[in-house]
Amino acid sequence: AQSVTQLDSQVPVFEEAPVELRCNYSSSVSVYLFWYVQYPNQGLQLLLKYLSGSTLVKGINGFEAEFNKSQTSFHLRKPSVHISDTAEYFCAVLGGSNYKLTFGKGTLLTVNP
Amino acid sequence: KAGVTQTPRYLIKTRGQQVTLSCSPISGHRSVSWYQQTPGQGLQFLFEYFSETQRNKGNFPGRFSGRQFSNSRSEMNVSTLELGDSALYLCASSPVTGLVGGELFFGEGSRLTVL
Repeated sequence: AQSVTQLDSQVPVFEEAPVELRCNYSSSVSVYLFWYVQYPNQGLQLLLKYLSGSTLVKGINGFEAEFNKSQTSFHLRKPSVHISDTAEYFCAVLGGSNYKLTFGKGTLLTVNP
Repeated sequence: KAGVTQTPRYLIKTRGQQVTLSCSPISGHRSVSWYQQTPGQGLQFLFEYFSETQRNKGNFPGRFSGRQFSNSRSEMNVSTLELGDSALYLCASSPVTGLVGGELFFGEGSRLTVL
């Protein structure tokens, strides 16, 4: 069975600062990896996904993530954040025979002026 | 193209009652998944339906059930409500089952409060 660990439950940063949200996964088989974002009172929206190929994946709103198989990590980064990036971010892994999407507990990113 | 629509958005029930939540997927999507989101447990998978068949099921008691209709709309039902069932219930649709290479499109959720 696969699992996802998001190492930080909350990350406060100042506007225009860089940010990294950490995600580690465990799985005995090949996986697909996702980052979703949830704005207040809304559902989840896909930011980016890794299926295969280049380990550096670019997503919407200037976010990118790097798949590192040896460290079983898929950290999300943005070089300069905006107030509007304040939201909860979820890392998710898809793998195994039942193709069930497993989410991490989420990281609340708060961007302060 | 309309997104995933969930109704009702908010509801309040008392312990012991039952509740039915509805989800209309994006047109053409045949897979519907349900998740329970709580502050303590995060997002937990309830079940997935594809072409009216339950394909996957999470670790929830039998009080939680669902179904999918021929038009891909889905409902989930929770019977004998408990306080711990208070949560945001999210529905997500996908054009394919198993999510192979795909992504989930989420609705805004139904927030259930059990008193």
